[in-house]
Amino acid sequence: ETGVTQTPRHLVMGMTNKKSLKCEQHLGHNAMYWYKQSAKKPLELMFVYSLEERVENNSVPSRFSPECPNSSHLFLHLHTLQPEDSALYLCASSLRSSYNSPLHFGNGTRLTVT
Amino acid sequence: AQKITQTQPGMFVQEKEAVTLDCTYDTSDPSYGLFWYKQPSSGEMIFLIYQGSYDQQNATEGRYSLNFQKARKSANLVISASQLGDSAMYFCAMREGSGGYNKLIFGAGTRLAVHP
Repeated sequence: ETGVTQTPRHLVMGMTNKKSLKCEQHLGHNAMYWYKQSAKKPLELMFVYSLEERVENNSVPSRFSPECPNSSHLFLHLHTLQPEDSALYLCASSLRSSYNSPLHFGNGTRLTVT
Repeated sequence: AQKITQTQPGMFVQEKEAVTLDCTYDTSDPSYGLFWYKQPSSGEMIFLIYQGSYDQQNATEGRYSLNFQKARKSANLVISASQLGDSAMYFCAMREGSGGYNKLIFGAGTRLAVHP
């Protein structure tokens, strides 16, 4: 399997649930990203992991908790979400220290919070 | 302040014709990179083309070319010979700096519809 794979593709959860989004990359990259894409808004960077260390946390509420156990895997743990958190969550990876290395994205997880 | 501006929420083009999607950016960093992505209805973001701030020539990649005008801070995407499969959202993005990871800032996007 190649590229960036995200699971699940769709997720519906209640506000009191706990769920996790998973991302896996098979490109040999060493930086991974979580972006949020809401309707009618530009993509928002949430978290960045570089060499498995979190290097960016863009004022994301604590109900979103990222985890990067190794350079190939990235998780986003969700708990006590709000309806406004419904969005497409995109994972991406790239080569660190390669300034022209594009981000490679997964297909995203479409999250609906009820 | 918005760093990436895409002023065209929607565009349409006839099949086989060329179309230009606008992108302007704002940065004081002399080293930066500009990326264009395509997002079909399936949701995946597909990388199309890259232009570095120090590149002397405009980037080209198959039917995609980038009209880079540094002084005007614009990086317009030109799609030649449009195909029905080009119908999608198109995003312009910018990376500032030249080291470490690639933190990309995205514009709001332009929805392109290709008509037969």
